[in-house]
Amino acid sequence: GAGVSQSPSNKVTEKGKDVELRCDPISGHTALYWYRQRLGQGLEFLIYFQGNSAPDKSGLPSDRFSAERTGESVSTLTIQRTQQEDSAVYLCASRKGGGGETQYFGPGTRLLVL
Amino acid sequence: EDQVTQSPEALRLQEGESSSLNCSYTVSGLRGLFWYRQDPGKGPEFLFTLYSAGEEKEKERLKATLTKKESFLHITAPKPEDSATYLCAVQESGGGADGLTFGKGTHLIIQP
Repeated sequence: GAGVSQSPSNKVTEKGKDVELRCDPISGHTALYWYRQRLGQGLEFLIYFQGNSAPDKSGLPSDRFSAERTGESVSTLTIQRTQQEDSAVYLCASRKGGGGETQYFGPGTRLLVL
Repeated sequence: EDQVTQSPEALRLQEGESSSLNCSYTVSGLRGLFWYRQDPGKGPEFLFTLYSAGEEKEKERLKATLTKKESFLHITAPKPEDSATYLCAVQESGGGADGLTFGKGTHLIIQP
């Protein structure tokens, strides 16, 4: 596609429920990132996928957060047993790889946990 | 301690009034410094990447510069459509996490 796409654009859920967020990167981009943006805070790195290498999960805030990526395409971020503090915008970015440094962001998924 | 600090947090200018936004950073080795623009309800839009001290890049009314400790985003004769939050991010060298470290942003308002 022309850019990074994410779905859903908005998600409202109840505390304790699981949610799954989807990211479709730019075609041909081998690297994919997830970030979280909480109100009044800077973007926080969560996880990074590069090709078939093991993902860098160093930014995941707890074991309730997990992510998967199928090859070099779609990624899903799953939050289990959601808490109110998980309310944030979840942003996905992709990068070309092979020396290309710039990360291009999707529009984000706005998650509200009631 | 914050690795990336942006100032001011908010800035209100009149149309045509030039100014600069600051991004100071503390990393052991810089792989790249990135500027993004973010409009309300949207994802960050890439503006510039700077790699080494002394480097400058320009795009329309924007110019980004880099020193060993900070970067400036200069806005010349801004227009109302330049209103947005401007984000600065750094990527460290040395094999650490590949994710970017972002500042909290500068919220810029250009009044007509």
